[in-house]
Amino acid sequence: DTEVTQTPKHLVMGMTNKKSLKCEQHMGHRAMYWYKQKAKKPPELMFVYSYEKLSINESVPSRFSPECPNSSLLNLHLHALQPEDSALYLCASSQVPSGGASVTDTQYFGPGTRLTVL
Amino acid sequence: RKEVEQDPGPFNVPEGATVAFNCTYSNSASQSFFWYRQDCRKEPKLLMSVYSSGNEDGRFTAQLNRASQYISLLIRDSKLSDSATYLCVVSHKAAGNKLTFGGGTRVLVKP
Repeated sequence: DTEVTQTPKHLVMGMTNKKSLKCEQHMGHRAMYWYKQKAKKPPELMFVYSYEKLSINESVPSRFSPECPNSSLLNLHLHALQPEDSALYLCASSQVPSGGASVTDTQYFGPGTRLTVL
Repeated sequence: RKEVEQDPGPFNVPEGATVAFNCTYSNSASQSFFWYRQDCRKEPKLLMSVYSSGNEDGRFTAQLNRASQYISLLIRDSKLSDSATYLCVVSHKAAGNKLTFGGGTRVLVKP
């Protein structure tokens, strides 16, 4: 099973709202990712969690707050977003390269949440 | 210069024809290479990993040229369902599990 699920599929929110995006995987992966993708552009990495700890934050504004409650779940909490934050938000998961291995493991993407900020 | 570059296309391909396109990468330390396909308003899906010796999966063949720092994808006997954007993805040791995406090559297969 190579499935990553994300909810909701679509989200419309105002600039003063607080909402959360959810991602779940049951592949036993210990690395999980959040990406943002604008139309006709490739995905841009936002955050990486490895063994439930935040390992990479690509200088993402604090209005985006990630959380990894356990090894299967990844959340992205949203607060005071701007219209330019409207995009497709993708979650992905992978194995963590083991002990010093340098090869990147394949990432599997969820279907994404299409976010519109009014 | 972008770290991973692709011809954005579109490549207009008659059904049944062969199409090939490349992706160049600038970091000589890159170690992992992938092709993903992405349909309009959908998530990227892994098409194939690219190995040093080249690899084939059905109608799809990927090649890696480390000396010239490019990877290629060839699609034989194109199907209408092959219409998509093909993303070249690269990573290197220092980046851990961080992927660098090319801008994508759009392929349109027409009857």
